[in-house]
Amino acid sequence: AQKITQTQPGMFVQEKEAVTLDCTYDTSDPSYGLFWYKQPSSGEMIFLIYQGSYDQQNATEGRYSLNFQKARKSANLVISASQLGDSAMYFCAMRGFRTNAGKSTFGDGTTLTVKP
Amino acid sequence: DGGITQSPKYLFRKEGQNVTLSCEQNLNHDAMYWYRQDPGQGLRLIYYSQIVNDFQKGDIAEGYSVSREKKESFPLTVTSAQKNPTAFYLCASSARDRDTGELFFGEGSRLTVL
Repeated sequence: AQKITQTQPGMFVQEKEAVTLDCTYDTSDPSYGLFWYKQPSSGEMIFLIYQGSYDQQNATEGRYSLNFQKARKSANLVISASQLGDSAMYFCAMRGFRTNAGKSTFGDGTTLTVKP
Repeated sequence: DGGITQSPKYLFRKEGQNVTLSCEQNLNHDAMYWYRQDPGQGLRLIYYSQIVNDFQKGDIAEGYSVSREKKESFPLTVTSAQKNPTAFYLCASSARDRDTGELFFGEGSRLTVL
């Protein structure tokens, strides 16, 4: 079984500041991948960033970075220099590569609001 | 452009009726998925298929059915047995030969039961 926990239902950040969205996970798979997706109010899901469980370095994609702490089972998303267009719901997800191969499990999401 | 097309975008259904949601992809992906999203909540997996003519139940398959007769298509039928079908439904696909492959999503179908 695998589980994703996002403990922040809502977050506020001032434009141009950085924000961290929390994600913890649990899995029985020895190898797995962690993903973050963004869902604007339109409803579409947009892939942001990926981290493999055996990756030595934290993933980065433009203004997005993933703070991966394997021992603590956490995979927090850091958004730097927030923009008004970053206001959306953010989901952490994981996919196990052995017993849960093919199944992605999502957290309940965090709603981020960027203030001008 | 390559992508996933879901239709219809909005659908209203009377209680007791079956409805079918369409999902078509031209990304040449082997794996396809159906998720359900309720307001303010995350995505829950209904069914998934990793290859043509094969599919597996997800976490909330009761009251739903799928088929995978073509690689490009993965329609979802919401049957009258689904007790609370009003929700936002998202179809997704991924490259099966890439464990690290992210999900590509359609724009979703919003089903309302009257």
